[in-house]
Amino acid sequence: IQMTQSPSSLSASVGDRVTISCRASQSTSNSLNWFQQKPGKAPKLLIYAASSLHSGVPSRFSGSGSGTDFTLSISSLQPEDFATYYCQQSYSAPYTFGQGTKLEIK
Amino acid sequence: EVQLLESGGGLVQPGGSLRLSCAASGFTFSTYGMTWVRQAPGKGLEWVSSIIGSGITTYYADSVKGRFTISRDNSKDTLYLQMNSLRAEDTAVYYCAKRQYQLLSSYYYYYMDVWGKGTTVTVSS
Repeated sequence: IQMTQSPSSLSASVGDRVTISCRASQSTSNSLNWFQQKPGKAPKLLIYAASSLHSGVPSRFSGSGSGTDFTLSISSLQPEDFATYYCQQSYSAPYTFGQGTKLEIK
Repeated sequence: EVQLLESGGGLVQPGGSLRLSCAASGFTFSTYGMTWVRQAPGKGLEWVSSIIGSGITTYYADSVKGRFTISRDNSKDTLYLQMNSLRAEDTAVYYCAKRQYQLLSSYYYYYMDVWGKGTTVTVSS
């Protein structure tokens, strides 16, 4: 299953609402996870099962979608949210990642 | 506290071998599947391999199939990745991750909820 994220990069300001899209080449049901990664650090889980917020993740993060089209939304950007975001399907092996979306400060 | 600590990375010549280890603590290791993910310099995340809790079933990316072997020793709470016939394109930071699962609406969902800090593998002559 190929995972395609859009956009590849995004510039936004603190307080903005942003959305990142992830499209699968075939249905992954709701087996879609979102990760955040900062430079030099391991990825962190944000959302699993398309829309379930992982423990400890701020409620400004949300996920939606099913089948082949998914969205990660951040309701009000905070300075610590500037990072790279990846989607990943856990429906069938190989458990592929999207290419990533780099969120930068405008 | 749930922790994963990778080790075993280093510099190796093309065609060489290396074994990575991932020591787990803070959870019942044998209950969970485990995964290796890698990230080449300046590139995105690439899923490499997964293994179920018992160790009986394994999965591999096409890019490493036949060269890498994932295994685990549940008596030592340790995950391994044996890497043979290494190539320059295997150069990356290798992360191990715990594969959590949750039953939602009669369906099991799987996700990597805990990650190690990573170990660096460099394949170069």
